[in-house]
Formats: sequence, structure tokens, C-alpha cells
Amino acid sequence: SYELTQPLSVSVALGQTARLTCGESNIGSKNVHWYQQKPGQAPVLVIYRDSNRPSGIPERFSGSNSGNTATLTISRAQAGDEADYYCQVWDSGTVLFGGGTKLTLL
Amino acid sequence: EVQLVQSGAEVKQPGDSVNISCKSSGYSFTDSWIGWVRQKPGKGLEWMGIIYPGDSETRYSPSFQGHVAISADKSISTAFLQWTSLKASDTAMYYCARMPGVGNSGGLIDYWGLGTLVTVSS
Repeated sequence: SYELTQPLSVSVALGQTARLTCGESNIGSKNVHWYQQKPGQAPVLVIYRDSNRPSGIPERFSGSNSGNTATLTISRAQAGDEADYYCQVWDSGTVLFGGGTKLTLL
Repeated sequence: EVQLVQSGAEVKQPGDSVNISCKSSGYSFTDSWIGWVRQKPGKGLEWMGIIYPGDSETRYSPSFQGHVAISADKSISTAFLQWTSLKASDTAMYYCARMPGVGNSGGLIDYWGLGTLVTVSS
């Protein structure tokens, strides 16, 4: 079955670039969406269809998808970016989420 | 402005039934899908199922098929998630979510409700 693999945690220094990955065989053939969830809050869409930013999402957030890995890149990381991040695809008639990555700012 | 307003927290006993709701506004309720997502304490997001209020087409995740029911009432722009016999393991936050479309070209969630906490305990 299709499963999306995300690292449990990623740490990044303030002002540096964080790269969060989402892996599965041939994920490059699918549209990948990314959500940010801060503690006690509902998720928020930050990237859709691999690399598109919804209105209101800073340009520091970008995405790419090729081969077996999709990547969410957060440039010039800020304290407010500390959150859980989930990737998501549509597969076999249903929604599939990755297990989520906790981004920690150092 | 699109809004999904969910009903309040529920505290139930095992075996109880419960119906939580998600009222939509700011868009045409019958033109988008509404889905439900479970999040257990400290855990990740789990997809439960979706409904298209336009024709009530419903699709369930195999993990939830037969244990919950998803419905919608077009007249009040509200979607529902119902259990007839709760278990302690159903304790979780439940989010409703709008999906403009399904399939590989769609399948994204652009708006989320704030969540309804369901606690099941004897």
C-alpha cells in the first residue's frame, strides 16, 4: 500500500533553511500538498500541488516534487515556523497523510 | 470568507451515540467536498471520509468504514459525523475540512474547521 514517509523531527537554526521531506515510490507522479499545524490549532495549507502557495503564505515557504521525494523548504526560518508539518496526496480514491514532521527551531 | 464552524466538545461513555456537526458558510455548500479528519492526542492526521453535498456521494477510508457515518443537510449547509456506539479509542479531536475537488488534480484541503474534541470515558 502507498505510504508517505516523513522524518519524525527536523531541527533548524533561526534564519537558516529547513528542508522537510516526504518520500514514497514515484511520488513525483502525484500532486503533493503540505499543511502546517501549530500546537492546539487546526492545520493550515501552506503548499498545494507541489509548489503553489496559497494566499497569505510567506514566500519563504516553497515546495518541489520529483522522483521518490517531495520537499517542503522553509527559508530564513523563524520562531513562528515551529510546528508539525504533514504532506498529503490523493491515492486510490482516498486522502493519504504522511506521519508528520516536527520542526524545531534552535 | 469561507468558514467551517464545528459543534462543541462532547464527553460520552462507551456505547453512547454522538453526532457532531460542521456548518459551512461563505461558499456554495453543494459545490465542494467536505471531509473529516481524526487526530488522536499527540498523534498525526488520519483521513476518515468525505461527502459531496451536491449529491450526497460518500467515500470512507477503509479504516473507518462501518464505524462512523458521514452525512450532509443541504438546507442548512451542514455536514455531520455520527457514531452509534462509541469506544474509548474514539477519543480524539475531529476536524472537518473542505476539499474543492477530488482526484490527483484536486484532493487538497483548503479550509479546516477548528475541531471538535470527543472524549469517551467510563
